[in-house]
Amino acid sequence: GAVVSQHPSRVICKSGTSVKIECRSLDFQATTMFWYRQFPKQSLMLMATSNEGSKATYEQGVEKDKFLINHASLTLSTLTVTSAHPEDSSFYICSARERGTFFGPGTRLTVL
Amino acid sequence: GDSVTQMEGPVTLSEEAFLTINCTYTATGYPSLFWYVQYPGEGLQLLLKATKADDKGSNKGFEATYRKETTSFHLEKGSVQVSDSAVYFCALIPTGGGNKLTFGTGTQLKVEL
Repeated sequence: GAVVSQHPSRVICKSGTSVKIECRSLDFQATTMFWYRQFPKQSLMLMATSNEGSKATYEQGVEKDKFLINHASLTLSTLTVTSAHPEDSSFYICSARERGTFFGPGTRLTVL
Repeated sequence: GDSVTQMEGPVTLSEEAFLTINCTYTATGYPSLFWYVQYPGEGLQLLLKATKADDKGSNKGFEATYRKETTSFHLEKGSVQVSDSAVYFCALIPTGGGNKLTFGTGTQLKVEL
């Protein structure tokens, strides 16, 4: 099946810094990718839909200036958490669609 | 809006026990229904799906039947193994909803020898 990778798998950063998370479709092209956030013992929450070559579509309540999404190519979408704070600590998961939805392994962000 | 409700975990079973994880949904029309599994340290993987009422999705010994009358999609397996230990997510895509998945909160399953 199709493979989606994320990098890094874990990141620890200081409060106030920015962190970039990459999502790649390894063996297929994805015009649309999705970014989710998963809190402990809670559901995956869709943050935004990333469209190649155009602006991302954010879900209600998600700050687009804080969570910058860039879908620069058909195989890469990036999520940048700007000026991160401890409350941004979470598990971030991306997915890409190609005759089905395939998920990346997730990135654990810890903001100190 | 659309939502998915799952039973809270963790669910702890002995190997070869029967598994049921309940899932009910709220949505208009006929959504597509899914079960995803997340093994430790890995991303979500599609386990099975059903796209219309009375459909039964099945994979790796797991089954779930789309029940429109009870708005349910309960996951079952007749005999669980230790390797089935994971978090299971029920999800839906609403009628005409494109690619947007709405997830339940996940149910952790622990299978012991």
